[in-house]
Amino acid sequence: ETGVTQTPRHLVMGMTNKKSLKCEQHLGHNAMYWYKQSAKKPLELMFVYNFKEQTENNSVPSRFSPECPNSSHLFLHLHTLQPEDSALYLCASSQAVAGLNYEQYFGPGTRLTVT
Amino acid sequence: GQNIDQPTEMTATEGAIVQINCTYQTSGFNGLFWYQQHAGEAPTFLSYNVLDGLEEKGRFSSFLSRSKGYSYLLLKELQMKDSASYLCAVITPGADSNYQLIWGAGTKLIIKP
Repeated sequence: ETGVTQTPRHLVMGMTNKKSLKCEQHLGHNAMYWYKQSAKKPLELMFVYNFKEQTENNSVPSRFSPECPNSSHLFLHLHTLQPEDSALYLCASSQAVAGLNYEQYFGPGTRLTVT
Repeated sequence: GQNIDQPTEMTATEGAIVQINCTYQTSGFNGLFWYQQHAGEAPTFLSYNVLDGLEEKGRFSSFLSRSKGYSYLLLKELQMKDSASYLCAVITPGADSNYQLIWGAGTKLIIKP
């Protein structure tokens, strides 16, 4: 138990569906992250939030839409996804973003399958 | 471009020692992380190096040579529970005075009895 929870753990959706992934951290951290992890590929950082403000958007397609209502919660809204978006989506948090030299605490991930 | 190389898979014997290497070519360096990820689980932090040398933490040690763009993770007295993927990640300066974290693809370590 890392103090970061994610729901759902597994999700199967069609290309025309709309769904949301939820992440919650109980560590009092100020920074939160969304990552995509595909088999045998490096972790891909998608979005970074620092004190609820988005600081990074690494050229992520608009079919992925993040939302950070407060420092403890992070959502990833999904719509009209493609089969290649099937992957493990990991949420992480850290004490701060500055310098990125704070260890990150990861949630267990959501295994997403797009059919 | 930015690149991090790690062996894809390694095998070692219970009780032995294994060294997992990570080489990086990045435009700048501000630190290096090692994370452990068991199958189906979240990555967990192992170590952080920013200066050259060896950092020891129990059975695990991490080494960094900034001039060579090289790090390794040393695992001693291997246990079956050490079977996992080990991820190397480098902090580099990004655009607009921000930083970015570049991840390797990970090394899958298999421990045999």
